[in-house]
Amino acid sequence: KAGVTQTPRYLIKTRGQQVTLSCSPISGHRSVSWYQQTPGQGLQFLFEYFSETQRNKGNFPGRFSGRQFSNSRSEMNVSTLELGDSALYLCASSLGGLAALEQFFGPGTRLTVL
Amino acid sequence: EDQVTQSPEALRLQEGESSSLNCSYTVSGLRGLFWYRQDPGKGPEFLFTLYSAGEEKEKERLKATLTKKESFLHITAPKPEDSATYLCAVQASQAGTALIFGKGTTLSVSS
Repeated sequence: KAGVTQTPRYLIKTRGQQVTLSCSPISGHRSVSWYQQTPGQGLQFLFEYFSETQRNKGNFPGRFSGRQFSNSRSEMNVSTLELGDSALYLCASSLGGLAALEQFFGPGTRLTVL
Repeated sequence: EDQVTQSPEALRLQEGESSSLNCSYTVSGLRGLFWYRQDPGKGPEFLFTLYSAGEEKEKERLKATLTKKESFLHITAPKPEDSATYLCAVQASQAGTALIFGKGTTLSVSS
């Protein structure tokens, strides 16, 4: 069974640009969550999509947005990039029920903002 | 505020030297507690889910336990390949499906 895939694996952008990251969940999984991982803050929840709808959102500014397609693939967009947005962006997929279900993570996209 | 604290931050062991990692949590209604392993440059790898106090789960040299305030990850006779960062996360009733992570414990096992 294929795992969670994320593209691209590495990105270098400059301040003020925007970026789009992609995530393909495990087949059959309907929920996709996005997390930001930095050395200082650790892993922080960005948002979750289920059946093409944002079901949950963390405490990040509106520059961070996402969407989910009918095949459960998800994209995350960051506009007007800041130096502090440099991080490993991880997506996780789960079956999608409201019960406490395991989330399986992809390898991440390493974003560097110069 | 929902919070997860892991200790120690770093742990160095000799091969075969058993030890435990701690995860203390404060949440408004625990729906589940999760343990992950993360290797450098990779995404977290799922290890265990615990739902209620008294529950225990085992996998190879790892055993996770849960009380009402904390969880332990016991590592028995570790090997160098067990070296990684171990992350604890909780899912709280009022936070939906979001996982709240601790900062992790970085384990180094030398032969």
